[in-house]
Amino acid sequence: DQQVKQNSPSLSVQEGRISILNCDYTNSMFDYFLWYKKYPAEGPTFLISISSIKDKNEDGRFTVFLNKSAKHLSLHIVPSQPGDSAVYFCAAKNSGYALNFGKGTSLLVTP
Amino acid sequence: DTEVTQTPKHLVMGMTNKKSLKCEQHMGHRAMYWYKQKAKKPPELMFVYSYEKLSINESVPSRFSPECPNSSLLNLHLHALQPEDSALYLCASSQGLAGDGYTFGSGTRLTVV
Repeated sequence: DQQVKQNSPSLSVQEGRISILNCDYTNSMFDYFLWYKKYPAEGPTFLISISSIKDKNEDGRFTVFLNKSAKHLSLHIVPSQPGDSAVYFCAAKNSGYALNFGKGTSLLVTP
Repeated sequence: DTEVTQTPKHLVMGMTNKKSLKCEQHMGHRAMYWYKQKAKKPPELMFVYSYEKLSINESVPSRFSPECPNSSLLNLHLHALQPEDSALYLCASSQGLAGDGYTFGSGTRLTVV
């Protein structure tokens, strides 16, 4: 049972524009959310996180928005760069240790 | 040091071999994890160690045997694997329950022949 869902398997954006990656979750007990970026044959690289007590967290070009009532979060990348092309995983956790991952969205930023 | 280091990066083993994957972190994290990732799938949790004790085993077959010799090291011993066990094996660590600093290693690409 997939508790974290990324319904867009792929996204293509022009360089300089905004990339918006979406994530939905079903477990209302999740209290911490993370975004990871992954290149093929490498481990996920942590990008940005947000606690359930916040609705926005910003780090440079990356901003994560959390809408608890809709059980939805999104990652905004502005401006998008070709080096941002990778698979992005949304992950969520509750008081336990394990991360629940979405299936990922493959982002392609074209020049 | 803000990294999780995994060795080897690549491993090819036969179904009768015994091998070990190693993971090391020096961030003082007290929780360490093994995940398995197949192509085009998200990482799946295998084991969790908390304060050097096994706290979660996600019904992993006994041919995978984890070991935590100390707070900085985590091993995964492999024996009599099957070709379908071929995957990217990821180690991760975190400070604790809050999820802060949940950091992954770059993984070991395992191929079972």
